[in-house]
Amino acid sequence: GENVEQHPSTLSVQEGDSAVIKCTYSDSASNYFPWYKQELGKRPQLIIDIRSNVGEKKDQRIAVTLNKTAKHFSLHITETQPEDSAVYFCAARFSGNTGKLIFGQGTTLQVKP
Amino acid sequence: KAGVTQTPRYLIKTRGQQVTLSCSPISGHRSVSWYQQTPGQGLQFLFEYFSETQRNKGNFPGRFSGRQFSNSRSEMNVSTLELGDSALYLCASSTGSTGELFFGEGSRLTVL
Repeated sequence: GENVEQHPSTLSVQEGDSAVIKCTYSDSASNYFPWYKQELGKRPQLIIDIRSNVGEKKDQRIAVTLNKTAKHFSLHITETQPEDSAVYFCAARFSGNTGKLIFGQGTTLQVKP
Repeated sequence: KAGVTQTPRYLIKTRGQQVTLSCSPISGHRSVSWYQQTPGQGLQFLFEYFSETQRNKGNFPGRFSGRQFSNSRSEMNVSTLELGDSALYLCASSTGSTGELFFGEGSRLTVL
């Protein structure tokens, strides 16, 4: 079935360190992989996304890599800052251009000053 | 450009009642999707509407329903509320082609 596994569930790093969150997906036909950041009491906000025809994408301190063969993708945050503390969700779109995303369970990232 | 607007933001209901939640998408967006967020289950897809037609449906019981109007505004309804329906209900809109979803602030439903 349609499934996205996300690890770890919690991650604590020191300010300035890097953080990596990994996700695997079940359907090889998936073509779109967004990452959302959700701060406490706020809406999920898209921070970066990648499509299946691209292996890596960067945006300042954030990067996402995609390995289609292994069906996994990862979020990399470098030089972490306290304001990066939030819950991060990976997701995959399994069929066509629709609004249906399957989300991972989320990773609570804590960046200690 | 105004973002996705959801109303009401908070509501409290009792078991057995029904509830209707509203979502106004970003202007020009024709796709509206609904998600349920709970601490235990994370973000789960309920359904998607595109041009007034349900395009996709998640694995929720028939008590959960929705509709979309000609101006792309959408409503979702939950009938015969159960305690387990307590959650944050998020609406997301998109153009329907690019894939990027923009979420609203959500409607937090508490069922007593």
